[in-house]
Amino acid sequence: GENVEQHPSTLSVQEGDSAVIKCTYSDSASNYFPWYKQELGKGPQLIIDIRSNVGEKKDQRIAVTLNKTAKHFSLHITETQPEDSAVYFCAATTGNQFYFGTGTSLTVIP
Amino acid sequence: NAGVTQTPKFQVLKTGQSMTLQCAQDMNHEYMSWYRQDPGMGLRLIHYSVGAGITDQGEVPNGYNVSRSTTEDFPLRLLLAAPSQTSVYFCASRRTGNTGELFFGEGSRLTVL
Repeated sequence: GENVEQHPSTLSVQEGDSAVIKCTYSDSASNYFPWYKQELGKGPQLIIDIRSNVGEKKDQRIAVTLNKTAKHFSLHITETQPEDSAVYFCAATTGNQFYFGTGTSLTVIP
Repeated sequence: NAGVTQTPKFQVLKTGQSMTLQCAQDMNHEYMSWYRQDPGMGLRLIHYSVGAGITDQGEVPNGYNVSRSTTEDFPLRLLLAAPSQTSVYFCASRRTGNTGELFFGEGSRLTVL
């Protein structure tokens, strides 16, 4: 099956700085790569996703890049704000089975 | 729309007891799934269903049973609870067809003593 690795496990940044979280995957058949944000005591919520036929996608302060050849994808958050503090998960899937990374706990220091 | 609703939110069981975690969605999603979340291990798929009457195993299915008699409901059963099943459980749903957003419930925290 698919194996998704995520780094770093914890990340602290000053408010206004950028944050980058990286994931690698093993199955070249994976074709959809979502990123989820989980706040304390809540379920994960989708923040951005990318499909295998696209190299980059941006939504305001959030962007995701995908390198299919190297099998890695990254989440970029610019101008971080305290409300960005949460746990972020990457995932990869070919359809019915989603494989998640182990999560990154992001802390934005005011 | 309520989205994905899970009950109970908290449960404590003794080893060997059985229980059912309930999951209901009101978005007419054909695909439903159960995950467990453990510290340092992310979310791992237990079982999933692509429609009423159809279920399949995920990464960690042992010790869990599911059934799908309606589009709306996808209960997760623990027949003989073990301490290793202490975890936070999430139900998630999405439309079928091409891959798309998973909508998660708020989670059910289970402790097995």
